[in-house]
Amino acid sequence: KAGVTQTPRYLIKTRGQQVTLSCSPISGHRSVSWYQQTPGQGLQFLFEYFSETQRNKGNFPGRFSGRQFSNSRSEMNVSTLELGDSALYLCASSFESIGAGANVLTFGAGSRLTVL
Amino acid sequence: GNSVTQMEGPVTLSEEAFLTINCTYTATGYPSLFWYVQYPGEGLQLLLKATKADDKGSNKGFEATYRKETTSFHLEKGSVQVSDSAVYFCALSDRLSGGSYIPTFGRGTSLIVHP
Repeated sequence: KAGVTQTPRYLIKTRGQQVTLSCSPISGHRSVSWYQQTPGQGLQFLFEYFSETQRNKGNFPGRFSGRQFSNSRSEMNVSTLELGDSALYLCASSFESIGAGANVLTFGAGSRLTVL
Repeated sequence: GNSVTQMEGPVTLSEEAFLTINCTYTATGYPSLFWYVQYPGEGLQLLLKATKADDKGSNKGFEATYRKETTSFHLEKGSVQVSDSAVYFCALSDRLSGGSYIPTFGRGTSLIVHP
């Protein structure tokens, strides 16, 4: 079955612009989470969506936002881009099974954002 | 809060050498533990997991045992191959209010295997 698909894979923006990244989860997965990966900070949790609702949010400024659609596809948006937003943005989806314990995440290949 | 500490890399080995990547954690509850691997240009892939104390996760020759008494989950492989060159992430996941499990990742350890 198809994996987690992220688009675009690479993009270059300039400071002050905004960007929207897209994530299509594995069919049947209702939880989608987003992470920022940088050499300096490692993997940091941005937010998680489940059934179109933001269920958890990491410690990022309000410039970072997201949403999830009824088909579980998710988008994240970063407004007023800063140089420090340059990173690999990873999306992951999971299938929630009640009582089965922690869910395994399936990651996409990421969207590499460069801010000039 | 929860945290994961991994040994810093890069770890450089010759092919067929023994691999150990140390991982220790701090958690308030009873987390599940994971190792994920990231190959160049790709996202993370689950390598193995363990959900309770003394569980051993294994996959592709890699093993890790959930040691609650030492709060550790060290990754081992008896004989590494060049194709194992990647970045390895240790992670823990504990249930949050609201029902979700948001993992806490270590900083990652780069493994370089030479022929």
